[in-house]
Amino acid sequence: EIVLTQSPGTLSLSPGERATLSCRASQSVPNNYLAWFQQKPGQAPRLLIQRASSRATGIPDRFSGSGSGTDFTLTISRLEPEDLGVYYCHLYGTAPPFTFGGGTKVEIK
Amino acid sequence: QVTLKESGPALVKPTQTLTLTCTFSGFSLSTTTMRVSWIRQPPGKALEWLARIDWDDDKFYRPSLKTRLTISKDTSKNQVVLTMSNMDPVDTATYYCARERLGVPPEDWGQGTPVTVSS
Repeated sequence: EIVLTQSPGTLSLSPGERATLSCRASQSVPNNYLAWFQQKPGQAPRLLIQRASSRATGIPDRFSGSGSGTDFTLTISRLEPEDLGVYYCHLYGTAPPFTFGGGTKVEIK
Repeated sequence: QVTLKESGPALVKPTQTLTLTCTFSGFSLSTTTMRVSWIRQPPGKALEWLARIDWDDDKFYRPSLKTRLTISKDTSKNQVVLTMSNMDPVDTATYYCARERLGVPPEDWGQGTPVTVSS
């Protein structure tokens, strides 16, 4: 089973700042099938990024994903107040189990 | 427009079997590449993938829960059912169903249904 480890646990930044979130896999992710989700309080998760770097439909271009193999990054170039929430990375595809990372909480100062 | 909605009991007793139904619209699970997953989230904790059923009836389970989980589909009713046996208080969580496609992560989610396990 591939384990996903996210860091930091919490990120507290001001509007307009750059946020960098990390997701490290215990083994190489097949086909770079690594996704990022945003979850706001009381809501279901929302897909942001698929296949490590492709933005999902309707996602603003301030969100970008990068990485391959075992190290992946989600970057929010200029934080907006509505970007607060918990961000999860997720391994998906054809080889279960399809794990989630422990999450990074983004707080807006 | 794709929609999914979870339904089931809000409260179950320890040792009972939980049955959850995901009713969806806007796609058919008989269409090649379609998949539906169940994912849960204990209060204040991270997401946890549970099970997935594919258009060709392939089924996948979380290894640590495999003996307790059963996933099935009723294509004519546009429903996916998840059963979890021998419920325990640690299974208290919000349970989500989500649509996937081949090579695409869960892109459409239900609102989630909270389940509490308590005597």
